[in-house]
Order: sequence, then C-alpha cells, then structure tokens
Amino acid sequence: AQKVTQAQTEISVVEKEDVTLDCVYETRDTTYYLFWYKQPPSGELVFLIRRNSFDEQNEISGRYSWNFQKSTSSFNFTITASQVVDSAVYFCALSGSGTTSGTYKYIFGTGTRLKVLA
Amino acid sequence: EPEVTQTPSHQVTQMGQEVILRCVPISNHLYFYWYRQILGQKVEFLVSFYNNEISEKSEIFDDQFSVERPDGSNFTLKIRSTKLEDSAMYFCASRVGLANTNEQYFGPGTRLTVT
Repeated sequence: AQKVTQAQTEISVVEKEDVTLDCVYETRDTTYYLFWYKQPPSGELVFLIRRNSFDEQNEISGRYSWNFQKSTSSFNFTITASQVVDSAVYFCALSGSGTTSGTYKYIFGTGTRLKVLA
Repeated sequence: EPEVTQTPSHQVTQMGQEVILRCVPISNHLYFYWYRQILGQKVEFLVSFYNNEISEKSEIFDDQFSVERPDGSNFTLKIRSTKLEDSAMYFCASRVGLANTNEQYFGPGTRLTVT
C-alpha cells in the first residue's frame, strides 16, 4: 500500500525564520514520483516540485529547497527566510504504478498548515 | 500555457439533487482524474479515466457517482443524489500519459455546497 505522512499539522513561525516541512512516504514501487503542492486560502493547488525515485539530488529554487532521501523515505521541504505570503497549507503527494491498472493516481498527505507571522 | 479549467467555481445545491461538475482537460492529455477535498482535510482520489472508461476508482466513488467524457473536450463528474457529506472541493486533473513525466495538471476546483 502507498501512504504519505505529514506529521506536522500546523507550524507557526515569525517572518524571516527558516522552516522545514516533513514528508515521509511508503511504497513498494521501485519507480515513483513525489510532489509538493501549496494550497493558499483561495483553494487551488499550486504545483511546487516533482521528483522521481531515481533522482535523489536536492533542489533549490529561490527560497525553497527540497531534500529527498530514499534511505529514510523522506522528501522534506524547507523555506528559507519565510514571508507572510508563504502562509498556506502544503501537501506532499506520492504517485506510483501501485495498482494493476497503472493509473498513477496521487496519494496525498494530510497537509501542514504554515502560518508566517509578521 | 495550457491549463485545466473547471466550471462552475462554486455550486450550491439542495440535498437529493443531481449535480454535474464540468472540467476541460488539457487538449492532448489522455488520462483524467477527479479528486475530492472535504474542508480542512486532505485531497482524496475518486476516479481515473482513460480510453473512455474508468481505469480505477476509490471506495468513495460509489453508485451515486459517474463520470463521462461526452465529447472530445469535456470531462464531467455527476453526483446523482447529493448528500450533505458530498460538500467538498472537487478537483479535476489530467496528464499526458507518458510515464516518465507522470505529472498531473490540476484545475482550480469546484466548491460544492450541499444544503
């Protein structure tokens, strides 16, 4: 079975602090994909990053960085120098063949609500 | 840039009524999905659709739900007789079909409120 765990329900930080959002996944697939999405109060899902299971390189995009470690089945997301506009719910998701139909559906975690205080 | 669109953005309906949520996937995409997000909860898979048939559905997707691709562009989710617990945000998504990308493109969602 596939599963995504985001143990942090809510995190509050003061602006300019760094914050790391944790994501732990379970899958038996050898090929799978991991994603992070941002959901602002308006409700849409904003794509942040995709990683496939063969690419363990960490990635940095501006103030955002991602740490993918297969050994610990984790795909953590760090925001450096957080800003009020980063306040949102962040979802980690997993997609793999997982099923006989090969639909590559997404399995989402429960999300982490990030509040950045001015 | 191509995007997935959904209409309406917000639908209010009375319990027991039928609703149809509409989605226009990206034109060259082959796989289509519906997800549901009850307020304050995680996003959950409902159904996937490929080659004009359902390829997988979740336990949530019972006989009250149906999907259809009535023409070459629209992809619809029908709830036959809505219940209060169907109140949620419904997201449509599509993907090209190439396994090495696997990325689904999500629409902005339809917020369904059942009263």
